[in-house]
Amino acid sequence: GENVEQHPSTLSVQEGDSAVIKCTYSDSASNYFPWYKQELGKGPQLIIDIRSNVGEKKDQRIAVTLNKTAKHFSLHITETQPEDSAVYFCAASKGGSYIPTFGRGTSLIVHP
Amino acid sequence: EPEVTQTPSHQVTQMGQEVILRCVPISNHLYFYWYRQILGQKVEFLVSFYNNEISEKSEIFDDQFSVERPDGSNFTLKIRSTKLEDSAMYFCASSLMDSKETQYFGPGTRLLVL
Repeated sequence: GENVEQHPSTLSVQEGDSAVIKCTYSDSASNYFPWYKQELGKGPQLIIDIRSNVGEKKDQRIAVTLNKTAKHFSLHITETQPEDSAVYFCAASKGGSYIPTFGRGTSLIVHP
Repeated sequence: EPEVTQTPSHQVTQMGQEVILRCVPISNHLYFYWYRQILGQKVEFLVSFYNNEISEKSEIFDDQFSVERPDGSNFTLKIRSTKLEDSAMYFCASSLMDSKETQYFGPGTRLLVL
């Protein structure tokens, strides 16, 4: 089955800095890669996704990149703000059921 | 904005007892899911449900687990005889039929089995 690895487990940055979270996946058939943000006391919320026919996608301060050959995908947050502090999960899934296999999560702390 | 709700937020039970975790999915969603996250581990898929039957399940979802949509709004996960290792956060999620990749998660129920 699919295996998703995520790094780092904790990331501490100063407000205004950029943050990068990296994931790898094992199943070359995976073609949909969502990213979730989990704030304290809430469930994971989808913040951005990318499909395997696209190399990069951007939405305001967040962007995702995908390297299918290397089976890597990354989340980039620019100009971080304290409200970006949360746990971020990457995931990989295949078309059809779209059941995600999650990474272990990255706790992002943005210091004011 | 519509959201998935779950009750209770916390549940403590004795080993061997039955528990029922409840979820109210978003009203026009047709696919429903349960996931769990054991402390310090990854979020894991348990089961998906569509049209009143299980659509897909993982190997974790064994005979001690069952799901039900008892009425038009609730979606439940029953654990028949809880074990210590069932202690985890359980998340419910729902999605539209033609947009299964976009799953909306509830806040979770933290289950502690003593």
